[in-house]
Amino acid sequence: AQSVTQLDSHVSVSEGTPVLLRCNYSSSYSPSLFWYVQHPNKGLQLLLKYTSAATLVKGINGFEAEFKKSETSFHLTKPSAHMSDAAEYFCVVSVGAAGNKLTFGGGTRVLVKP
Amino acid sequence: NAGVTQTPKFRILKIGQSMTLQCAQDMNHNYMYWYRQDPGMGLKLIYYSVGAGITDKGEVPNGYNVSRSTTEDFPLRLELAAPSQTSVYFCASRSRVNEQFFGPGTRLTVL
Repeated sequence: AQSVTQLDSHVSVSEGTPVLLRCNYSSSYSPSLFWYVQHPNKGLQLLLKYTSAATLVKGINGFEAEFKKSETSFHLTKPSAHMSDAAEYFCVVSVGAAGNKLTFGGGTRVLVKP
Repeated sequence: NAGVTQTPKFRILKIGQSMTLQCAQDMNHNYMYWYRQDPGMGLKLIYYSVGAGITDKGEVPNGYNVSRSTTEDFPLRLELAAPSQTSVYFCASRSRVNEQFFGPGTRLTVL
């Protein structure tokens, strides 16, 4: 079985300051890990993915995430928040098996203050 | 490429009515998925398909049915709508490098 826990349901940052979104996962096998972003009333967009290559993964819009097996974590960071980063972010785990089904975390809503 | 498309965007149903949510992709992906997203929650898998003619249940399949007669299309059927099925429904397809592409969603309200 696999599961994902996003440790913060809401994060509030000021524009220009760093963003940290925390994610821990549980998986019996080597997982693939993803971060998706969802802007209000929109579909989901892939930010980045980890699939057992480099542990530091760079994504779109300046986001990056580090896979730490010893801590079973996959935290998402961005050095400087922009107003357009205000959205909901989902950490997702997938284990190879029939269908490569995704298991979603509960989401973290990011508020960016001017 | 249009990617993953879904129709309709919005729908209001009365209890007991039926409807089909349409999903199509033009990327020739074998794997397709249906999810629902309840307010403030992540997505939950309803059904998925690994190719034309093959479907399987996900985490929350009760009250839904699917079919996959072609690679492109993966419709989701609600037979007897219930208020508990009020949600936003997302269709997705998966590429060969294990990236899922999502449609824009269908917002369904059952009254």
